[in-house]
Amino acid sequence: NAGVTQTPKFQVLKTGQSMTLQCAQDMNHEYMSWYRQDPGMGLRLIHYSVGAGITDQGEVPNGYNVSRSTTEDFPLRLLSAAPSQTSVYFCASSYLRRQGNYEQYFGPGTRLTVT
Amino acid sequence: GQQVMQIPQYQHVQEGEDFTTYCNSSTTLSNIQWYKQRPGGHPVFLIQLVKSGEVKKQKRLTFQFGEAKKNSSLHITATQTTDVGTYFCAGPFMDSNYQLIWGAGTKLIIKP
Repeated sequence: NAGVTQTPKFQVLKTGQSMTLQCAQDMNHEYMSWYRQDPGMGLRLIHYSVGAGITDQGEVPNGYNVSRSTTEDFPLRLLSAAPSQTSVYFCASSYLRRQGNYEQYFGPGTRLTVT
Repeated sequence: GQQVMQIPQYQHVQEGEDFTTYCNSSTTLSNIQWYKQRPGGHPVFLIQLVKSGEVKKQKRLTFQFGEAKKNSSLHITATQTTDVGTYFCAGPFMDSNYQLIWGAGTKLIIKP
């Protein structure tokens, strides 16, 4: 099993450009999520999905879109990049339990710089 | 709004000394999770605590969940270089089973 994979590993964008960060998992997890991590801060949830065709906003969704057409894939789209979106982006997946509690498996991350 | 505070932000120890990080929530948590992130790496799940007053051990790591389920701690006995990294706690958002709120992490640094 590859686990959770993310591409690209590094990306530099100019302000106003758009791009898609890819995330895939091969563990048949229902739940997938995107976080951003900034220095000195914990992870902040951008968007999440509890199954194919279902997405919802997290704590910091502005400027980002997601879709979930299959169980395996959960791409994150930056609509018009801004320097404030410079960050490390992590994709995570997990099983869903009855109480909603879960351990999350993280991808290796994408380091994004917006100039 | 709901907050999870984690202290200290950094802890410098000599190899062999103990390390402790504390996590305090503004609300009662149904459970709390702990993760470790090595430098340049991604968070890796360590443990989940669910019961009030729960204590769990993993070799040199001891995890506690407070009686009121609003605080938690991770204690490492006799640190080793392999323990270097940032330790995060995370708990569920009040109104959602599907969102976690994270502490800012405690970075463990081993003094040369």
